[in-house]
Amino acid sequence: DAGVTQSPTHLIKTRGQQVTLRCSPKSGHDTVSWYQQALGQGPQFIFQYYEEEERQRGNFPDRFSGHQFPNYSSELNVNALLLGDSALYLCASSWGGRGGGEQYFGPGTRLTVT
Amino acid sequence: KQEVTQIPAALSVPEGENLVLNCSFTDSAIYNLQWFRQDPGKGLTSLLLIQSSQREQTSGRLNASLDKSSGRSTLYIAASQPGDSATYLCAVRHSGGGTDKLIFGTGTRLQVFP
Repeated sequence: DAGVTQSPTHLIKTRGQQVTLRCSPKSGHDTVSWYQQALGQGPQFIFQYYEEEERQRGNFPDRFSGHQFPNYSSELNVNALLLGDSALYLCASSWGGRGGGEQYFGPGTRLTVT
Repeated sequence: KQEVTQIPAALSVPEGENLVLNCSFTDSAIYNLQWFRQDPGKGLTSLLLIQSSQREQTSGRLNASLDKSSGRSTLYIAASQPGDSATYLCAVRHSGGGTDKLIFGTGTRLQVFP
């Protein structure tokens, strides 16, 4: 049973560029959440997708956008990259929308903005 | 606004010691609480999930307790081993208000030396 997978593993971009990160949820899961983790900090919630809709959003600017596909996989897009966007981006999947479903995290994508 | 705090921020102990990691949260209206392990530069591995109606959960050498009314959880690690060295994060999920995100503490960085 494949767990949550993310691609790419590492990414280096220049300020002002755009980036797309990808996530495939654990088999049987239909909900995908994205988190940003700066060095030495806990992950911060970016947004959550369920039934191909953004259901909930954290305190992140509109430069951060996403998409969920019919197969439940998801993309995170960041436009006009800033140095402060350098972080580990984590994807988590769960089942069934709201409620006590356990979230399973992927290995993350390390984004470095220079 | 929910805030999650973890104490201590770092801990260094000899192998074999029993450990207690602490997590506190300001709003007791949580749906569940989850403890994670994170190795350097890696994703999160779920260790234990405690629903709000539960008092504790156990898995092997790990035991997590939850006191919702006082806003506290502890993770007990018995007979620590060098392989336990990692950062331990706790996260709460709110109940009600359509909030489904995890709110994380900043973690406890644990080093177990032989």
